[in-house]
Amino acid sequence: KNQVEQSPQSLIILEGKNCTLQCNYTVSPFSNLRWYKQDTGRGPVSLTIMTFSENTKSNGRYTATLDADTKQSSLHITASQLSDSASYICVVSDRGSTLGRLYFGRGTQLTVWP
Amino acid sequence: EADIYQTPRYLVIGTGKKITLECSQTMGHDKMYWYQQDPGMELHLIHYSYGVNSTEKGDLSSESTVSRIRTEHFPLTLESARPSHTSQYLCASSGASGGGYEQYFGPGTRLTVT
Repeated sequence: KNQVEQSPQSLIILEGKNCTLQCNYTVSPFSNLRWYKQDTGRGPVSLTIMTFSENTKSNGRYTATLDADTKQSSLHITASQLSDSASYICVVSDRGSTLGRLYFGRGTQLTVWP
Repeated sequence: EADIYQTPRYLVIGTGKKITLECSQTMGHDKMYWYQQDPGMELHLIHYSYGVNSTEKGDLSSESTVSRIRTEHFPLTLESARPSHTSQYLCASSGASGGGYEQYFGPGTRLTVT
C-alpha cells in the first residue's frame, strides 16, 4: 500500500533555532517528492520538488534531502522565523499513471515561539 | 503566487441545502482536482479532471459532483448538504512542467453544515 508517514506530528521551537522534519514513504514506482507549506486555513504552497536523481534541494532557508534507496526525506529549516509556523506536508508522486497521483502525509505542525 | 481562486472562503449552511463551491484558474491548466481535508489529516482526492468534459472520481468516496465545461472552471456541487460534509475543500490545478506536473492549490473553502 502506498503510504507517506511524517514525524514528528508536531514540533515547537524558539525563533532563530533550526529544525528537521522527517518523511518516510512506500510509494512505488516513485516519480518525485515534494514538500508543501500550509498555513492555517490556506491551501498548500510548494517549497521543493525532487526527482529520483536529486539528493538535495534548497529554497531559501528550507533545504530538502532525499534518499531514494531508503525512501526517506527530510526538510531542514534554518534560523526559524515566526512566519514559519505552519503545517509542512510531504507529498510523493508515483509514475503509475498519467495523472501523476499524489500521496499526502498528514503533515508536521510546526510552531515557532518568540 | 498561483492564480487559482476559490469562493466562498467560508460557508455555514443548514442541512439539506444545495451548495456549489467555485474554483477557477487562469493558468490554462488542463488538469484540475478537488481535495477534502479534515483538521490534522491528510488531503484526500475526491474528484479530478483531465480537461473539458472529463471528470473522474478520486480515492475518497464523495456525494459531491463536479463539472468541467470550461478549462478554467471546475465547480463542485453538493445537492443536499449534511453535517458529515463539514470539512475543508481544496481545489488544485496542474499543467505539464519539467518537474512532473506541479500542483497549485487554491486557498480552500471551509464548509460547515449545521
